[in-house]
Formats: sequence, C-alpha cells, structure tokens
Amino acid sequence: AQKVTQAQTEISVVEKEDVTLDCVYETRDTTYYLFWYKQPPSGELVFLIRRNSFDEQNEISGRYSWNFQKSTSSFNFTITASQVVDSAVYFCALTFPTDSWGKLQFGAGTQVVVTP
Amino acid sequence: GAGVSQSPRYKVTKRGQDVALRCDPISGHVSLYWYRQALGQGPEFLTYFNYEAQQDKSGLPNDRFSAERPEGSISTLTIQRTEQRDSAMYRCASSFGGGVYEQYFGPGTRLTVT
Repeated sequence: AQKVTQAQTEISVVEKEDVTLDCVYETRDTTYYLFWYKQPPSGELVFLIRRNSFDEQNEISGRYSWNFQKSTSSFNFTITASQVVDSAVYFCALTFPTDSWGKLQFGAGTQVVVTP
Repeated sequence: GAGVSQSPRYKVTKRGQDVALRCDPISGHVSLYWYRQALGQGPEFLTYFNYEAQQDKSGLPNDRFSAERPEGSISTLTIQRTEQRDSAMYRCASSFGGGVYEQYFGPGTRLTVT
C-alpha cells in the first residue's frame, strides 16, 4: 500500500530563517506525481508545486525550492528567508497509478510558524 | 468563474437529515474531485470524475454517500441520513485533465451534524 509521511508536526522559526519540510513516501510504483500544498490560517488549500517521478532535477521558484530523491523516496520542500505570511500548514501529496491517478494521498501536514 | 466554488459554505443539519453539497469547477476543467478534511488532518479522498463519468469512488465511506456530475460540469455530493461522524470540511477540487495535473481546491463546505 502507498503511504505518505510528514514526520514534522510543527516547525517554528524567526523571520528570514530558512525552513525545510520533510516528506517521505512508500510505493512500489515507478511512476508517480508529487505535490506540495499550503493551507494558511484562512483555510483554503493552495497549490504550490508539482513534480513527476521521472525528473529528479531540483528547482528553485522564487523563495521555494524542492529536493526530490527517488532513491530515498523523499520530496523535501524549502522556504528560503521565511516571512510571516509563510505561516501555514504545508501538505505533501502524491498520486500513484496502481491506486488511482485521480486520488491524491496527503500527508498529515506540517505546521509552520514564522514569528517576526 | 476564476476558481472552484462550493455551496453552501456552511451547513448545519440534524442527525438523520439528507444534505447535498454542490461544487462548480474551474471552467474547462475535465476532472473533478471530492475530499473530506477533519480538523488537524490532511484531506482524505472520496471520489472523482472525468467529465460525467465517476472514475473512482473507493473513498466514499459507505452507501450513504453518493456523488454525481451529470453534465460533466457541476457536481453534487449527497449524504443521506447524516450522522455526527459525518461532520467535517468537504472540499471539491478540479484539474485540467486527469489526476496527473495539479488539483485546484474550492473553499470547502463546513458540515456540522447535530
């Protein structure tokens, strides 16, 4: 069975510090897609990034970057120079073909608290 | 519209009543998804559609839950004979074409069963 784990329950940082969120998963599938979502205190779920399992090239988009390592089944997400507006719950999610392409499996989420 | 819309935003109902939750996806999005999110947890998949066809309903908890998307656009999630354990945030999402694309979520319907 597939499984997505976010072991960090909460991370507290001071503004301008970097924050790295961990996500590990279990699957026997070789093809899958990976996502990160943000849920601010207002409650909506906001799409951040999407990657596929074929591409392990790590990228930077503004203050966000991610580190996908297929060999260790990890998909970590970093916020550089954090700001108070980054305070939110961050969810890692994956979709697997042997389960259902339309079914996103979410981790439990990591609460990020950024203080001034 | 610009994003996924859901109605009502809040629904309070008495145990045993039926409720219908509506989702209007982003225009042009082929796929539509329903999730349920309990407080402090990640969303949990319920079901999804490509056009009007229900592709996967494996996440529906029991036969009191059903969903439809008759014309391939708006979808309704119906819960019959509601129970207190059904209380949760029900979220709808849509995507351009199939589950490999990112899903855009609506604001959710907060259901409270008293």
